[in-house]
Amino acid sequence: KNEVEQSPQNLTAQEGEFITINCSYSVGISALHWLQQHPGGGIVSLFMLSSGKKKHGRLIATINIQEKHSSLHITASHPRDSAVYICAVRSHANTGANSKLTFGKGITLSVRP
Amino acid sequence: DGGITQSPKYLFRKEGQNVTLSCEQNLNHDAMYWYRQDPGQGLRLIYYSQIVNDFQKGDIAEGYSVSREKKESFPLTVTSAQKNPTAFYLCASSEGRPAVDTQYFGPGTRLTVL
Repeated sequence: KNEVEQSPQNLTAQEGEFITINCSYSVGISALHWLQQHPGGGIVSLFMLSSGKKKHGRLIATINIQEKHSSLHITASHPRDSAVYICAVRSHANTGANSKLTFGKGITLSVRP
Repeated sequence: DGGITQSPKYLFRKEGQNVTLSCEQNLNHDAMYWYRQDPGQGLRLIYYSQIVNDFQKGDIAEGYSVSREKKESFPLTVTSAQKNPTAFYLCASSEGRPAVDTQYFGPGTRLTVL
């Protein structure tokens, strides 16, 4: 079983819709990251969470440590949000200066105009 | 502008040849990483370096080598021992402090071995 599972694998939405992308993990973690990868391949870090909720523009990320689950929400979705969204975790085993991350496979989101 | 550069964007090599991928950062970050991305799989760590002149193997280091002679540079060599080198390679860097371990990624190099 993968340490990080993301669902659904592919997601298609209509412009303006509220979108939720999920991430579940099986190990104790010290931090969870959400990343965005555009078709050209470049990756941008969106959020780093260790508890609670963070918001940036139309993006909201939440994490439930007890349930080992995180969600990324996109409000008022737009075609430019089309990308692969990747969840990554840093487990308790990777402490100190070691920032090794374990990555999910990513979810491909397509937002239609 | 601060950031990470990788070159070239596309690279073609013949089977059996070694090839070196470049990664440079001007963010003054201590830690640097090399990842490999294959279709349908999550990023996998090849090598990482927490400080100059030091580096550690990641999860899939076989067939790869690195050096960290300068803080800003972390080149990756894909050797002929790597059985399936065709992939998308991403370099990243971070401050290396656990509380601020956001990783910044380069644009990637797509390597195709013919």
